[in-house]
Amino acid sequence: DTAVSQTPKYLVTQMGNDKSIKCEQNLGHDTMYWYKQDSKKFLKIMFSYNNKELIINETVPNRFSPKSPDKAHLNLHINSLELGDSAVYFCASSQAHRGGSYNEQFFGPGTRLTVL
Amino acid sequence: LAKTTQPISMDSYEGQEVNITCSHNNIATNDYITWYQQFPSQGPRFIIQGYKTKVTNEVASLFIPADRKSSTLSLPRVSLSDTAVYYCLVVTGSSNTGKLIFGQGTTLQVKP
Repeated sequence: DTAVSQTPKYLVTQMGNDKSIKCEQNLGHDTMYWYKQDSKKFLKIMFSYNNKELIINETVPNRFSPKSPDKAHLNLHINSLELGDSAVYFCASSQAHRGGSYNEQFFGPGTRLTVL
Repeated sequence: LAKTTQPISMDSYEGQEVNITCSHNNIATNDYITWYQQFPSQGPRFIIQGYKTKVTNEVASLFIPADRKSSTLSLPRVSLSDTAVYYCLVVTGSSNTGKLIFGQGTTLQVKP
């Protein structure tokens, strides 16, 4: 069974469209994340949810809206897609973080978004 | 969060030991040193984490000197399948967010 899964794996769309990427984890983790990896391979965190509550919201255009229906799912909806949104988007999950501990993050396979 | 500096790329041959050094001069007392590996077209994968001295697991060893301002990831007897990008990260242990900041990473190319 895949621990962290994302759909779709590839997404090609036109500028101005609205699209969603889905993420599911079956690890029983409390925390989920979205990262963006650009063409230069820099991986940058976008959002993080802990038990359906938003805890990290980096400087991301408000066209990007995460939705967490339950703690096993964190979907990413993107409105009015732009050329610069083309990237690989990774979902990840981990146990909840508490002071004095660090829990490794498990990443999904990524969704390659291409905006034409 | 402490910034990390590591070589952009390294080449090696199969069977050799590879050491990737990372500097993190501003590491804080509560920070952990963590390494992730990313194969082409895959998400990053946790390799190893340490606080001080030496940590070893089935994949790699991590050497951390007493001042903790640098660390070295050691991959024994690499194979072609170890070709990947290796990221050194400093993670705040007291954080309740788990935020990771990835740098450019070191692209390791293993040749036959």
